[in-house]
Amino acid sequence: QQQVRQSSQSLTVWEGETAILNCSYENSAFDYFPWYQQFPGEGPALLIAIRSVSDKKEDGRFTIFFNKREKNLSLHIKDSQPGDSATYFCAATGSFNKLTFGAGTRLAVCP
Amino acid sequence: EAAVTQSPRSKVAVTGGKVTLSCHQTNNHDYMYWYRQDTGHGLRLIHYSYVADSTEKGDIPDGYKASRPSQENFSLILELASLSQTAVYFCASRDRHSQNTLYFGAGTRLSVL
Repeated sequence: QQQVRQSSQSLTVWEGETAILNCSYENSAFDYFPWYQQFPGEGPALLIAIRSVSDKKEDGRFTIFFNKREKNLSLHIKDSQPGDSATYFCAATGSFNKLTFGAGTRLAVCP
Repeated sequence: EAAVTQSPRSKVAVTGGKVTLSCHQTNNHDYMYWYRQDTGHGLRLIHYSYVADSTEKGDIPDGYKASRPSQENFSLILELASLSQTAVYFCASRDRHSQNTLYFGAGTRLSVL
């Protein structure tokens, strides 16, 4: 049973476009949703996160849009750069302090 | 920034052999975690620990043991390695006040033959 689902295993965009990565979850108790970025040969690193009381979180070119009623969220990467090419993991947690990760979306930004 | 160091970075093991993966963190974090990464499954939690000398089972603990002899060190032990345990393993740490931010090591690539 996959509690956090990422709709695309891979995504390719052109440099300068907005990349949109989608995620959905099942557990209504989840209230914190981080996105982790992983480059090849490295461990994941926190990119941006949102709490369920908010519907939008922005940090530079990265924005999370959150829909609590639909139990989904998306990560928008504006003006995508080749250096953004990485795997992006959507994750979720509730009060039990364990992060549940999605399967990841591998993003390729072509110059 | 937290420093999480894993050793070895890669390992080849034989089926039925014993494997120990080590993790060391230098940022005084209370929580430590072991995840495995497989294509199509993302990161799955194997074991975790809130405090030294205590470990908890994660979502996929079967075939793995964990040991937390000190706050800084957390080991993952495969007593009888199997082909299905071929994966990349990540250790992570978290401060209890960090709002669930995990700091990951660089990973250990394990191949069981």
